[in-house]
Amino acid sequence: SQTIHQWPATLVQPVGSPLSLECTVEGTSNPNLYWYRQAAGRGLQLLFYSVGIGQISSEVPQNLSASRPQDRQFILSSKKLLLSDSGFYLCAWSSTGRYRIQYFGAGTRLSVL
Amino acid sequence: DQQVKQNSPSLSVQEGRISILNCDYTNSMFDYFLWYKKYPAEGPTFLISISSIKDKNEDGRFTVFLNKSAKHLSLHIVPSQPGDSAVYFCAANSGGSNYKLTFGKGTLLTVNP
Repeated sequence: SQTIHQWPATLVQPVGSPLSLECTVEGTSNPNLYWYRQAAGRGLQLLFYSVGIGQISSEVPQNLSASRPQDRQFILSSKKLLLSDSGFYLCAWSSTGRYRIQYFGAGTRLSVL
Repeated sequence: DQQVKQNSPSLSVQEGRISILNCDYTNSMFDYFLWYKKYPAEGPTFLISISSIKDKNEDGRFTVFLNKSAKHLSLHIVPSQPGDSAVYFCAANSGGSNYKLTFGKGTLLTVNP
């Protein structure tokens, strides 16, 4: 069966520090991968998605970037964190079939202080 | 422009009664709809989905109804249980080469014992 791993679960970082969140998927090949952010009291905002190694699409201009160095690995990064980057970050994967149900990781709570 | 709307931020029901969560959409290209359940500090969990060729899909206590002419879908939970207390997100996909899900902002369901 497929599983998705996302870490760390919680992260507290100072303003201006770098960020690296990692997500890996097991039990499937060539998944579509996604990064979302949920700000407090709000819905899920799609940040990036990827349909293959090295292929990244950005949904909103921001202080973050994403990379997919391997088929089942998706990384969210920032060179210098801002206070507004605080939030709950979620990684998800979906198959490439006709209907793309997305399956989510457990999430990372990022607090930028 | 919010293409998927969940107009009720919260809903409270008694244990054993029916919970009805509503969702409206504006994009007529959406042809696949999903419901997710989310507990605090966890990733969303896929619940049930429906394609636009159907008007009803049932899975145990959960039933999703789709009214394409009204661009409206609803999730019925019968009977409601305290463990159903969570935020419920409605999401939509337009298929084809579009890999993205568009999410509503969620409805917090509280089931009182």
